[in-house]
Amino acid sequence: DTEVTQTPKHLVMGMTNKKSLKCEQHMGHRAMYWYKQKAKKPPELMFVYSYEKLSINESVPSRFSPECPNSSLLNLHLHALQPEDSALYLCASSQGRSGDTEAFFGQGTRLTVV
Amino acid sequence: GEDVEQSLFLSVREGDSSVINCTYTDSSSTYLYWYKQEPGAGLQLLTYIFSNMDMKQDQRLTVLLNKKDKHLSLRIADTQTGDSAIYFCASEGASKIIFGSGTRLSIRP
Repeated sequence: DTEVTQTPKHLVMGMTNKKSLKCEQHMGHRAMYWYKQKAKKPPELMFVYSYEKLSINESVPSRFSPECPNSSLLNLHLHALQPEDSALYLCASSQGRSGDTEAFFGQGTRLTVV
Repeated sequence: GEDVEQSLFLSVREGDSSVINCTYTDSSSTYLYWYKQEPGAGLQLLTYIFSNMDMKQDQRLTVLLNKKDKHLSLRIADTQTGDSAIYFCASEGASKIIFGSGTRLSIRP
């Protein structure tokens, strides 16, 4: 199983809503990532979790709150988003050990903020 | 900071080979990746190469790595219409995966 599963595939939310994006992998990977991709742009790194601990936060606004409840799951909690936050949100995972990594991406959640 | 650069567009005739080039700056990169993204879809890992290799072949795909020049290329043999997509080069180092801007490959009949 080399899949990274993201749910939901599509999400429309209002600026006052609270929602969560979910990501799951069962490859035993210990590093998990959130990326944001705007149309016609490359993915931009948001967060990295390594061994369930937040290791990198790329100065992401606090309206995005990541959570890693266990080694297989990664959530991204959303609150008070802005329309410019509309994008494809991609989750990825990798082994997490230096020199032994191959990253797999999920299909993404397409988020629209109205 | 780290940077990955690609040309934005490539047009090839169906049946010809496509070569997509990429340069990166992070000399500590351990893995270098090629991802394919079709319209409206997520990222599909096509292939990757470890930094101590200089070539990897996988069916129609050939990856060449020149570590000295920090140059990576992806060759797609016998390009088909289904290969139309954006191809992203990415480098991994210091627990980050940094993407190039993507090369849009279009196929002419």
